[in-house]
Amino acid sequence: GAVVSQHPSRVICKSGTSVKIECRSLDFQATTMFWYRQFPKQSLMLMATSNEGSKATYEQGVEKDKFLINHASLTLSTLTVTSAHPEDSSFYICSALIQADTQYFGPGTRLTVL
Amino acid sequence: AQSVTQPDIHITVSEGASLELRCNYSYGATPYLFWYVQSPGQGLQLLLKYFSGDTLVQGIKGFEAEFKRSQSSFNLRKPSVHWSDAAEYFCAVAPLELGSWGKLQFGAGTQVVVTP
Repeated sequence: GAVVSQHPSRVICKSGTSVKIECRSLDFQATTMFWYRQFPKQSLMLMATSNEGSKATYEQGVEKDKFLINHASLTLSTLTVTSAHPEDSSFYICSALIQADTQYFGPGTRLTVL
Repeated sequence: AQSVTQPDIHITVSEGASLELRCNYSYGATPYLFWYVQSPGQGLQLLLKYFSGDTLVQGIKGFEAEFKRSQSSFNLRKPSVHWSDAAEYFCAVAPLELGSWGKLQFGAGTQVVVTP
């Protein structure tokens, strides 16, 4: 099946710094990627839809200035957590949409903000 | 409001026994329905999906799911579990509307533990 990678797999940063997470589709092109957030022992919550060549669309309650998304190419979307705080600590997962009913997920990035 | 409910947070099953995971949804119209499995260190893997047609869907790893419109359910089953089936299982739905494709709403997940 198709492969989606994320980098880094885990990151620890100090409060107030910004962190960039990359999501790459390795063997296919994706005009649409998604970013999800998963708290410990909880489900995934859709944060935003990343569209190649256009602005991301954010779900209700997600701060677009806090979570900057850039989809500069058909194989790369980045999520930047700006001025990170401990409450931003979470597991961030991206996915890439191939068809209306098919998306492939990355392995996730564990963010810990001290 | 749209919702996806997985009533069982945690299930323990013996190896070789059957497994059924429940999923109920509340949506305006029948959405795309999915079951994913999440293992530590790995991305979510699609087990199976349903949109229309035969209400009994076969997936990978010996899993199947049955869509029941009258009950708004999409339960996942496996006749005989293997130790490698221990993982977190998520039911998910996605709307059919153009522009919303792929925007998955996940249930809370069911943690499956397999005992010898």
